[in-house]
Amino acid sequence: DAGVIQSPRHEVTEMGQEVTLRCKPISGHNSLFWYRQTMMRGLELLIYFNNNVPIDDSGMPEDRFSAKMPNASFSTLKIQPSEPRDSAVYFCASSNLAGGKETQYFGPGTRLLVL
Amino acid sequence: DAKTTQPTSMDCAEGRAANLPCNHSTISGNEYVYWYRQIHSQGPQYIIHGLKNNETNEMASLIITEDRKSSTLILPHATLRDTAVYYCIAPPGNTPLVFGKGTRLSVIA
Repeated sequence: DAGVIQSPRHEVTEMGQEVTLRCKPISGHNSLFWYRQTMMRGLELLIYFNNNVPIDDSGMPEDRFSAKMPNASFSTLKIQPSEPRDSAVYFCASSNLAGGKETQYFGPGTRLLVL
Repeated sequence: DAKTTQPTSMDCAEGRAANLPCNHSTISGNEYVYWYRQIHSQGPQYIIHGLKNNETNEMASLIITEDRKSSTLILPHATLRDTAVYYCIAPPGNTPLVFGKGTRLSVIA
């Protein structure tokens, strides 16, 4: 089992550019979570999906952020336009239970730096 | 959502037991206590969870007080690889995990 796969692992971009982060959950998992981690704010839940449907996006910071899950094996988190304050590590996690808290498996994260 | 309180940091000698406390005095009867940890530069990793009874698995033991207002995660023989931030979380019902600041455990050789 390859675990949760995220790409890219590192991204450096300039302010104003569009950034797309990608996540492939563990096969068979039906819940997917996007988190953001910074030193100041810690680990924050941005949005989560159950059976490809967004359940709670109250953590999405603003309209510049959007997330999609077109099928059970792929999700994207897009930032357009990006700003320096978006610099963070973005984690994707998946679970095989709806909201399954003990079965969340995290990916290695994408380290985003917006200059 | 039960608020949890953990010490900011702790040290533990290698080979000794690491006892990480967590207060969750506002926990309700059906809220589980979950423990995750995050090793530097990695995503969080599930450790253990419990409701009322003490629990043990290959990673750790979880001791929950009878009134359920606090719990202790025990790593019986801490190694340098156990150095991490440990999160105690008590989310209600079907709500997702909300990570706090956690306890930064440093295992010292």
